[in-house]
Parts: sequence; C-alpha cells; structure tokens
Amino acid sequence: DGGITQSPKYLFRKEGQNVTLSCEQNLNHDAMYWYRQDPGQGLRLIYYSQIVNDFQKGDIAEGYSVSREKKESFPLTVTSAQKNPTAFYLCASSVVKGTEAFFGQGTRLTVV
Amino acid sequence: GIQVEQSPPDLILQEGANSTLRCNFSDSVNNLQWFHQNPWGQLINLFYIPSGTKQNGRLSATTVATERYSLLYISSSQTTDSGVYFCAVGQGGSEKLVFGKGTKLTVNP
Repeated sequence: DGGITQSPKYLFRKEGQNVTLSCEQNLNHDAMYWYRQDPGQGLRLIYYSQIVNDFQKGDIAEGYSVSREKKESFPLTVTSAQKNPTAFYLCASSVVKGTEAFFGQGTRLTVV
Repeated sequence: GIQVEQSPPDLILQEGANSTLRCNFSDSVNNLQWFHQNPWGQLINLFYIPSGTKQNGRLSATTVATERYSLLYISSSQTTDSGVYFCAVGQGGSEKLVFGKGTKLTVNP
C-alpha cells in the first residue's frame, strides 16, 4: 500500500539527549514536511523539503534538524537545544510544494 | 500571516443528527483541506477543496473562496465520526498549510 510511515509511535527522551524521528513515503512525492502539534492546538510547520538534498526552515525550526538524502526519507532530529520537545510530531508529503498533503500516523515524543 | 478560525470549538451530537462546521480565513487561498484527526492522532484527508462543492458519502464540503469561508457538512452522524476536524489553508504555492484550532466533535450513541 502507498503511504507515509512514521516510527516509532511513542518515544521517550531524557533531558539533554538528541532523538531522531523517522518518516518514509512510497508515494513518489517530491515535497515532505514536518509539523508539530501541541495539546488542543493545530499543527505548526517545523521544516520542509521540496527536493532531495534541499530543505528549508518553517515557523518553529529552532532546536530541530533534518536531512533529505533520499526522496523517500525525511528524518527529523530533535536536539537538546529544543526547550520544550514534548509534543506530537507529524510528517506529511505532497506531489510538489503547496499541493494536497497527506500525513503519517505521527510520533508522540515525551521528555522524561 | 493568514488567520484561520474554526467554529464551533466543541460540538456534541446524538447519533443520527446533522452538523455544519465552519472555517473562516483572512486572505485568499489556493489550497484548502479538511482533515479528521482520529483518537490515535492520525490525520485523515476528507476533502481537498480550494473552491466549489464536493461530496463523499455522508460528508460534503463547500468553499466560497471569494467570501473566504468553507463549510463541512456531516449528515446522519455516527459515533465513529467523533474526533477533531481541522481546516488548513495554503497560499500561492506556499510551502505550508496553516491550520485552524479545530472543532472537537463528540457523537453520543
């Protein structure tokens, strides 16, 4: 089945650690995105990528990093510099930038 | 930046009732999507509807772009319709969708 796969579903991080969230898509989409959702809120854009080896900061990029070495993959690293990382993280993709977006199942990150 | 407002914030229905959810946006858009977030957090695409009217089973949506609003209609609601409904908009080939805060729908048996 075509789709977007995020792993893991749940992730626990100790203070001061970096963690990496995985996002893989087999839809042959060029554009990929990372969003963050806090309780009771809508989603906010962290980073996006229009093409392999290119990515741009979104509205809340501080404390996060990404890479786009393959078209199918867009991992997100939450660094120790992110002051409030506990949140629900959603990865999305679209054919090209600005077209209909499809989302993965999400990763719930908790700092312990 | 563009503002997206959804109403009502909360809605409680009995199974079988109909409902209308509204999304107002503050500027012109060329991308508008409605999503249903299920209890596990996944965002399910309902409609891609920057303008016009679409129907899918018991759900339909209308966007009046010139008046900057969109409506999502749910007819004969079922308990499985419960969850949060989000409207999200994009402008002019922009990289991002701007989300509203959602409408939390609870359908009681």
